[in-house]
Amino acid sequence: EDQVTQSPEALRLQEGESSSLNCSYTVSGLRGLFWYRQDPGKGPEFLFTLYSAGEEKEKERLKATLTKKESFLHITAPKPEDSATYLCAVRSGYSTLTFGKGTMLRVSP
Amino acid sequence: KAGVTQTPRYLIKTRGQQVTLSCSPISGHRSVSWYQQTPGQGLQFLFEYFSETQRNKGNFPGRFSGRQFSNSRSEMNVSTLELGDSALYLCASSLVKTGGGGSEQFFGPGTRLTVL
Repeated sequence: EDQVTQSPEALRLQEGESSSLNCSYTVSGLRGLFWYRQDPGKGPEFLFTLYSAGEEKEKERLKATLTKKESFLHITAPKPEDSATYLCAVRSGYSTLTFGKGTMLRVSP
Repeated sequence: KAGVTQTPRYLIKTRGQQVTLSCSPISGHRSVSWYQQTPGQGLQFLFEYFSETQRNKGNFPGRFSGRQFSNSRSEMNVSTLELGDSALYLCASSLVKTGGGGSEQFFGPGTRLTVL
């Protein structure tokens, strides 16, 4: 059974204070690791897909990396508008997505 | 391109009633998945449809059912509602069958169901 654990559960940063979110996973044959951002009361918004260890993707202040056991979402010089819950999900074989419970990020001005 | 749309956005029902939620995927997307999101359990997979066929099903009781139409629109139904069914129900669409190689899922805004 696929498992995804995200840490920390909550993170509070000052504007400009860089940090990383962690997503540890256990799957039998990874066919994609996905990062989403979710604002309160809204559906998750797709950010990145990573397929193999060593792969990296960037979008504005966000950078996602992947190893064989975990993924990191690095946030560089965050702004208050980066405040959201960040979700990690994996797919293995022909299954659908298994999500972690997310990291709630708050960036204070 | 229009995103995934879900109707209604909010619903209030009482225990024992049934409810039907609707989802229209992104144009051209043929795979539709449904998820239940609660504060305690997070996002949990309900079922996935592709070309009007259910391809995967999560660990939910038979009170939860769904279907997909020939235009890829999908509905899910919950019968005999219980208090614990209160949640945000999310629909996601993707371009290909999810087992066909890492296709991203794009989510709708969700339907907030409250059971009293």
